[in-house]
Amino acid sequence: AQSVTQPDIHITVSEGASLELRCNYSYGATPYLFWYVQSPGQGLQLLLKYFSGDTLVQGIKGFEAEFKRSQSSFNLRKPSVHWSDAAEYFCAVVSGAGSYQLTFGKGTKLSVIP
Amino acid sequence: DVKVTQSSRYLVKRTGEKVFLECVQDMDHENMFWYRQDPGLGLRLIYFSYDVKMKEKGDIPEGYSVSREKKERFSLILESASTNQTSMYLCATTGRGPYGYTFGSGTRLTVV
Repeated sequence: AQSVTQPDIHITVSEGASLELRCNYSYGATPYLFWYVQSPGQGLQLLLKYFSGDTLVQGIKGFEAEFKRSQSSFNLRKPSVHWSDAAEYFCAVVSGAGSYQLTFGKGTKLSVIP
Repeated sequence: DVKVTQSSRYLVKRTGEKVFLECVQDMDHENMFWYRQDPGLGLRLIYFSYDVKMKEKGDIPEGYSVSREKKERFSLILESASTNQTSMYLCATTGRGPYGYTFGSGTRLTVV
């Protein structure tokens, strides 16, 4: 069965520092991969997605992610974090041919120090 | 933009009550999903539906049922609410393919 692992439960970075959130997936075929962000009390917002093609994907709010098939990873990066980036981040993969179920990781909570 | 509306933002129910959570989408999407979100567990799929009157169990269907009588509406039913069903419930939808999922704002259910 497919699964998504986000190894870091909680990360704290200083404002202006770079950020990398890790995501590893287990899925036999070429995956469809997503990163979502959830601010406190809010719903999920799509940051970016990867289906095929260029393995470096640009998203909203200055985020990017790189798909590495050899490492089964889809890590999220941002060169300079802003205080407003404090939120919880979820990596997800589409599973099940034709069913389009999203399987989520357990999330990484990001805190930003001013 | 696709809009997914969940009828209640906050809900408090008593143990043993029958609870209905409603989700309505306005873009004629075929696929609809119900997830629950708990701290440290991420989002887990309860049920999904790929067409009217069709439903499939997700990873944690026990204690829940669903109804999809019309394409735009997908209801989650807690037959007899229990305290361990206290959670955030999120509805999502996508069209013909896994290309664009839209989530509702969620319903925070507390069972006392």
